Amino acid sequence: DADVTQTPRNRITKTGKRIMLECSQTKGHDRMYWYRQDPGLGLRLIYYSFDVKDINKGEISDGYSVSRQAQAKFSLSLESAIPNQTALYFCATSDTDRREQYFGPGTRLTVT
Amino acid sequence: DAKTTQPPSMDCAEGRAANLPCNHSTISGNEYVYWYRQIHSQGPQYIIHGLKNNETNEMASLIITEDRKSSTLILPHATLRDTAVYYCIVSGLYAGNNRKLIWGLGTSLAVNP
Repeated sequence: DADVTQTPRNRITKTGKRIMLECSQTKGHDRMYWYRQDPGLGLRLIYYSFDVKDINKGEISDGYSVSRQAQAKFSLSLESAIPNQTALYFCATSDTDRREQYFGPGTRLTVT
Repeated sequence: DAKTTQPPSMDCAEGRAANLPCNHSTISGNEYVYWYRQIHSQGPQYIIHGLKNNETNEMASLIITEDRKSSTLILPHATLRDTAVYYCIVSGLYAGNNRKLIWGLGTSLAVNP
């Protein structure tokens, strides 16, 4: 089984809808991250969490919110989806004392 | 936060060494250099990282120049499965001493038979 899972893997939604992307990890890591990837722009950090009670905005948090339900779960919500939020979304985790991040398989989100 | 510059694309023959360059001329003394790769649109995969010294693991070697303004990732015997986008990343800082990764556009490496 994969260490970092994301659901759904693909989603098409309409403008104005609320949508939640979920991430779960079995690595026992404290730190979790949400990124989005757009063609030609690389990965950009949306939110990150260093433990259940610590949540921080990344460079592009506007229009997004997150919830850290447990050490193993970190959800990303789009309260009112808009077309320019169409992107590939990745969740990642890392251990507090190590530096490499482990990524999930991604969620491809299309907002029409 | 330091930024990186990489060639947009490179080719390599299967079985040969792939040498991927990266410039990070504004890197500061406490920033690390990381390399990740992304195959198709899968989640990025960590390869290696370093601060000052050259590093080697089972996947690759990382050569960092003495002035730390550039580095080279070496895949010693490239295979077709190494075809991917390779990202050179310099770690910046979150608030406090925690580190974040600043992603550029990467190098698209094509390994040819």
